[in-house]
Amino acid sequence: DAGITQSPRYKITETGRQVTLMCHQTWSHSYMFWYRQDLGHGLRLIYYSAAADITDKGEVPDGYVVSRSKTENFPLTLESATRSQTSVYFCASSDSLAPSTDTQYFGPGTRLTVL
Amino acid sequence: RKEVEQDPGPFNVPEGATVAFNCTYSNSASQSFFWYRQDCRKEPKLLMSVYSSGNEDGRFTAQLNRASQYISLLIRDSKLSDSATYLCVVNIPYDKVIFGPGTSLSVIP
Repeated sequence: DAGITQSPRYKITETGRQVTLMCHQTWSHSYMFWYRQDLGHGLRLIYYSAAADITDKGEVPDGYVVSRSKTENFPLTLESATRSQTSVYFCASSDSLAPSTDTQYFGPGTRLTVL
Repeated sequence: RKEVEQDPGPFNVPEGATVAFNCTYSNSASQSFFWYRQDCRKEPKLLMSVYSSGNEDGRFTAQLNRASQYISLLIRDSKLSDSATYLCVVNIPYDKVIFGPGTSLSVIP
């Protein structure tokens, strides 16, 4: 029962580099989410996806790109990393048709440092 | 006013104590409410949903006050293993959720 996994778990990169964070879930959940968590801000939604090939912006989408060609994968790409994108990134999924009213299951997180 | 606010704490309580957290929300149209628990350097996990009539799960009781727009979490007989950050989650119409910044609890032997 792998559930939801993220890779890498830790990443250090430099300003201006492109970075891709991977998220994979084995439950066939329809909805997937990307959040970032920073001290004092809690979890903030970056992007979400209701199904394969359907994505939408969250609260803080600038500087990020997502895709969802397969239901089980939802990669997040930082096109040109900036120091302000240093954060812990969590991927989550939900099997509900109305995910705002149901449980979200989180991956273990990726700690990204941009130097 | 932020959409979801919590007292960040930390709350330091002795084992066996009762502790309560409040969370206020600004959108009166919100319909779904949750408490998540997050251990240090781990992912958030659902602790319990909050129902209009209030609900209890063992030592944990959650309540909703729509008139004053807040939800609460009460933990009785605190255990060392309850030490964590507790995140309040509120849905925002339509189909989004907002996570509060969390309240840190440390249960002391």
